[in-house]
Amino acid sequence: SAVISQKPSRDICQRGTSLTIQCQVDSQVTMMFWYRQQPGQSLTLIATANQGSEATYESGFVIDKFPISRPNLTFSTLTVSNMSPEDSSIYLCSGSPSGGSYNEQFFGPGTRLTVL
Amino acid sequence: GDSVTQMEGPVTLSEEAFLTINCTYTATGYPSLFWYVQYPGEGLQLLLKATKADDKGSNKGFEATYRKETTSFHLEKGSVQVSDSAVYFCALAGTALIFGKGTTLSVSS
Repeated sequence: SAVISQKPSRDICQRGTSLTIQCQVDSQVTMMFWYRQQPGQSLTLIATANQGSEATYESGFVIDKFPISRPNLTFSTLTVSNMSPEDSSIYLCSGSPSGGSYNEQFFGPGTRLTVL
Repeated sequence: GDSVTQMEGPVTLSEEAFLTINCTYTATGYPSLFWYVQYPGEGLQLLLKATKADDKGSNKGFEATYRKETTSFHLEKGSVQVSDSAVYFCALAGTALIFGKGTTLSVSS
């Protein structure tokens, strides 16, 4: 199974600023995903990070707020832009080694973001 | 659309008690089903999975059987330990991974 690391593990930010979260996988994965987990809630998919093309966003999430990069098959970044306290969440990235399949995903440890 | 419903927690048990966490799903066809676990301060880890009807997934003493008749995938463990205290998420693989709301398990010694 793939091992996924994220940086930073946690951060406290001021409203109006932006934070970029990095996700590194120790092997090539076809699909990478970004999720948000608000306090006490389940995971909500933000977007699918596509290598070599724009990310595919879920309903309620837009590129201007959550720009994503995927420069290669082992790395992706998520930026949370113009932050407000409502953005305080855990952000998780995941990877799926199976081409075109969502059947199994391996998750990073998450980035715990607090916006003041 | 596809959805997952989990029993609400928190679930509080004594060590060595029997655990059941209910999970039912709504989906088109027969998607793969998963249980993920999130220990305090950590990310999600895949606990077990089942890819077709009547499959039983098992890991670390936990089991779940894919029941298409009842559209269920209940998580069970015969004897829980304090170290099992965590949040458990049921999920199905539709067009994306769809998670239930999570069930918090607390085990006391």
